[in-house]
Amino acid sequence: DGGITQSPKYLFRKEGQNVTLSCEQNLNHDAMYWYRQDPGQGLRLIYYSQIVNDFQKGDIAEGYSVSREKKESFPLTVTSAQKNPTAFYLCASSLTGTSAPYEQYFGPGTRLTVT
Amino acid sequence: AQTVTQSQPEMSVQEAETVTLSCTYDTSESDYYLFWYKQPPSRQMILVIRQEAYKQQNATENRFSVNFQKAAKSFSLKISDSQLGDAAMYFCAYRSAELGGTSYGKLTFGQGTILTVHP
Repeated sequence: DGGITQSPKYLFRKEGQNVTLSCEQNLNHDAMYWYRQDPGQGLRLIYYSQIVNDFQKGDIAEGYSVSREKKESFPLTVTSAQKNPTAFYLCASSLTGTSAPYEQYFGPGTRLTVT
Repeated sequence: AQTVTQSQPEMSVQEAETVTLSCTYDTSESDYYLFWYKQPPSRQMILVIRQEAYKQQNATENRFSVNFQKAAKSFSLKISDSQLGDAAMYFCAYRSAELGGTSYGKLTFGQGTILTVHP
């Protein structure tokens, strides 16, 4: 089955530690995205990548880093510089181009708790 | 920058009845797409329906339909014959379609509306 996987579903870390969230897709999508969701809130874009080896900051990139070495993978590192890292993190992917809406497909999410 | 506003934090409906969720957006672009996503308690985001701004006809997917008013920048979602499984948080989202723009490909989400369905 094609889709997006995120692991783990729940992640616990101590304050001051970096942590990497995994996102893999087998949909052959060019673009991938990371969002953060806080309780009762909408999704905010952290980073996105339209092509391998290239990525751009979203609206709340401070304290986060990403890499895009493979088309299928877009890991997100939450660094110790992120002041409020506890949140629900969603990864998404989409095709790119100008001739279709190219909606984003989402993974199941990772709940990160930092204490 | 584009903004999306959902003015109803919570809505409720009786099973089998109809409910409409509101969404307004602000943009200076003429070419864009609009989406409604559903997030049930599992937190998996599911696409409900999409609308291309250049199409005047309102999109429909089974029990879900939209009322797209481009001049008013309004994009409401109507759910007919509501079912218990429709209970979820619903997000309205905007995507630029203007190639080369700084917002191209990115989704901007509203704050969401929690829909409760009563049996």
